[in-house]
Amino acid sequence: EDKVVQSPLSLVVHEGDTVTLNCSYEVTNFRSLLWYKQEKKAPTFLFMLTSSGIEKKSGRLSSILDKKELFSILNITATQTGDSAIYLCAVEENNNDMRFGAGTRLTVKP
Amino acid sequence: NAGVMQNPRHLVRRRGQEARLRCSPMKGHSHVYWYRQLPEEGLKFMVYLQKENIIDESGMPKERFSAEFPKEGPSILRIQQVVRGDSAAYFCASSPLKTALSGNTIYFGEGSWLTVV
Repeated sequence: EDKVVQSPLSLVVHEGDTVTLNCSYEVTNFRSLLWYKQEKKAPTFLFMLTSSGIEKKSGRLSSILDKKELFSILNITATQTGDSAIYLCAVEENNNDMRFGAGTRLTVKP
Repeated sequence: NAGVMQNPRHLVRRRGQEARLRCSPMKGHSHVYWYRQLPEEGLKFMVYLQKENIIDESGMPKERFSAEFPKEGPSILRIQQVVRGDSAAYFCASSPLKTALSGNTIYFGEGSWLTVV
């Protein structure tokens, strides 16, 4: 069965720390991998990755995909309390299905 | 995610009643997705619809659940004879094209929280 596994499930850090969130996947017809941030209610888009080894960067956040080993990481440097959220990884398949992982709940303490 | 409107935001139903959740996609979007999120879990795909067509309902329970996206009006997720286990957040998302076909992403609504008592 296709699956998307995120780790860790939860993480508590202090402001200024750097965190790495992991997402591994097993899907039949991979097309892209997406990262979302869910705070309050609705997930908001962070990155879409389709090619291996190309880092996507936005401010303190960056992400990279390894299609050979079937995983992606999301890095957040110099964390702030506003980074506290659930980070969701989703894998999109060629049939347009999107499968989400369970998410990593990140808590950044002052 | 502004623009995808879901209502009601919160809905309480007694066991055995029907729940109807509505989703108005962003203007110009003709693809709608419904997801369910249980506490402490990720978003689980339920159904993917285009105008007047169900494209993929592989994630939707075979019984009691149905979805539609009529030519006019919002998409509706309908749950008949609700049970306690249906209590969850139901998220709708929309896209103008098949996701990622041209680099587009999908946009989420704020979710509808269903509580079955």
